[in-house]
Amino acid sequence: AQTVTQSQPEMSVQEAETVTLSCTYDTSESDYYLFWYKQPPSRQMILVIRQEAYKQQNATENRFSVNFQKAAKSFSLKISDSQLGDAAMYFCAYRGIGGSQGNLIFGKGTKLSVKP
Amino acid sequence: GAVVSQHPSWVICKSGTSVKIECRSLDFQATTMFWYRQFPKQSLMLMATSNEGSKATYEQGVEKDKFLINHASLTLSTLTVTSAHPEDSSFYICSARRTNPLSNQPQHFGDGTRLSIL
Repeated sequence: AQTVTQSQPEMSVQEAETVTLSCTYDTSESDYYLFWYKQPPSRQMILVIRQEAYKQQNATENRFSVNFQKAAKSFSLKISDSQLGDAAMYFCAYRGIGGSQGNLIFGKGTKLSVKP
Repeated sequence: GAVVSQHPSWVICKSGTSVKIECRSLDFQATTMFWYRQFPKQSLMLMATSNEGSKATYEQGVEKDKFLINHASLTLSTLTVTSAHPEDSSFYICSARRTNPLSNQPQHFGDGTRLSIL
């Protein structure tokens, strides 16, 4: 079974600085998708960025980028120029392509605080 | 962009009553919808996968007679918590994705339902 591990329960960053959130996963599949979701206090799940495993190029979305290391099964999220609005819970998620019907497997999350 | 509407956002009811939560995909068709439960300060736990026109697939440990799922159309799935008790109090979130399971379409989440059973 696939698992997703986020080893940092909490992280803190100074406004305008850069922070990296860690995520590792375990799977026997060769093709899959990885996601980072943000959940602010409103508890709405917001997709931050996604990565297809067959793509070697790291995904980027404005201030958000990932460091995808397929061999190491690592998928970290880098937030540049951190803003107060980035404060939230961040969940790393895995989705297979096979017979799992596409459900997401989430890590336990990392709570990010942004200091002004 | 794709929008998923979840209703109600917050419900408080007495123990023993049944509560229905609706999840609608507003601008796309979704043969598959997912129901998650989230306890405070914890991650999302998949409860069941809802399939249009067929029975839902429940995760291990989730009582299918307790949490009834109906996916009668390509845009609507409902979760009914039957004979709710205080331990059922939680945050329930649905998500939906476009039809093809092999596509790279992400899941789109509803805003969640905070259920409080007195």
